[in-house]
Amino acid sequence: EPEVTQTPSHQVTQMGQEVILRCVPISNHLYFYWYRQILGQKVEFLVSFYNNEISEKSEIFDDQFSVERPDGSNFTLKIRSTKLEDSAMYFCASSEVAGGTGELFFGEGSRLTVL
Amino acid sequence: GESVGLHLPTLSVQEGDNSIINCAYSNSASDYFIWYKQESGKGPQFIIDIRSNMDKRQGQRVTVLLNKTVKHLSLQIAATQPGDSAVYLCAGGSQAGTALIFGKGTTLSVSS
Repeated sequence: EPEVTQTPSHQVTQMGQEVILRCVPISNHLYFYWYRQILGQKVEFLVSFYNNEISEKSEIFDDQFSVERPDGSNFTLKIRSTKLEDSAMYFCASSEVAGGTGELFFGEGSRLTVL
Repeated sequence: GESVGLHLPTLSVQEGDNSIINCAYSNSASDYFIWYKQESGKGPQFIIDIRSNMDKRQGQRVTVLLNKTVKHLSLQIAATQPGDSAVYLCAGGSQAGTALIFGKGTTLSVSS
């Protein structure tokens, strides 16, 4: 069964460092997403991406965050200068139709720890 | 703003019992709802979804009920098994956007 894959599974970084989280969405999907989940909290929407541009972003997705689809398979989330409060599990997801109307398929997540 | 929430943070049942997990939402524009199962350290896994033109939808051992009048949905799991132990997340979306808004989750514990 096709699945969304994410790397790394766990990254530890120092505050102020740049981090890139990588995702390979399901191949025939058109919509891509990043969500995050701080320990013990809700899964929170960060950003959606369609047709090589951001479709929607939340208040969390400020100027420190960026997304990119550098080739036909990868979808990345970059945090330019990490803060302690960026520590969370980051989930990539993809879907065939827009996420507000259809199932999102999630990866296993990348745990980011900022020290 | 939009919010999706669950009524109880934890639910403990015996193996073989039926489980009911509840969720409320605030946004009348929400027209798509989905339940996910999240096991410890893993990503959410799809269980079942329902659109606002339906009141009920059944899957294998699971049923989702939607009451648009009171903005409430529930997930019923029949003959709950130890493998059903996980956090259950409800989420809502609409045709107006691409984001799913998640509730915090109910932790289901099944004892044998």
